[in-house]
Amino acid sequence: EDQVTQSPEALRLQEGESSSLNCSYTVSGLRGLFWYRQDPGKGPEFLFTLYSAGEEKEKERLKATLTKKESFLHITAPKPEDSATYLCAVEDGGYNKLIFGAGTRLAVHP
Amino acid sequence: GAVVSQHPSWVICKSGTSVKIECRSLDFQATTMFWYRQFPKQSLMLMATSNEGSKATYEQGVEKDKFLINHASLTLSTLTVTSAHPEDSSFYICSAHTVQETQYFGPGTRLLVL
Repeated sequence: EDQVTQSPEALRLQEGESSSLNCSYTVSGLRGLFWYRQDPGKGPEFLFTLYSAGEEKEKERLKATLTKKESFLHITAPKPEDSATYLCAVEDGGYNKLIFGAGTRLAVHP
Repeated sequence: GAVVSQHPSWVICKSGTSVKIECRSLDFQATTMFWYRQFPKQSLMLMATSNEGSKATYEQGVEKDKFLINHASLTLSTLTVTSAHPEDSSFYICSAHTVQETQYFGPGTRLLVL
């Protein structure tokens, strides 16, 4: 059964303190791994799609990487506005369905 | 990025009434749309997959007679919660699948059933 596990569940950082979020997955055939950001009371905002091991993508202070078993979302010198829940999802092959992890709640304090 | 809208953004209704939520892809056509619900501090739970012009496919445990889904065009899907009860109170989110193989999400609809 396809499964996505995110850690840590919650993370508190000081502004400027870099860190990484983890997403481990088990899937029969990975068609894509997705990262989303969700602010309270809003829908998820698309960040990245990764398709194959070794792939990396960057956007401002965020960098996503992918291995055969897990993905990392690296946050460099975070700012308070980076505070949100970060969701990882894998695509269920053939049906375009996304299987989401429980998310990591990130709080960045000044 | 692609834009998906939802209407209404929040709704309060009495128990036993029906509520319709609209999901629109504003700047692209989506052959497939998805409906999720999310409880506080929990992740998204897929309810159903909606394909334009055909019947929706529901996830296990989701009552298809209670959550009616219509995907009448390539830019519009609707979710109707029939005979709503307090336990149906939740945050409902739709997403639309693009040809670039990415799902874009709407802003969500918060439903409160009294």
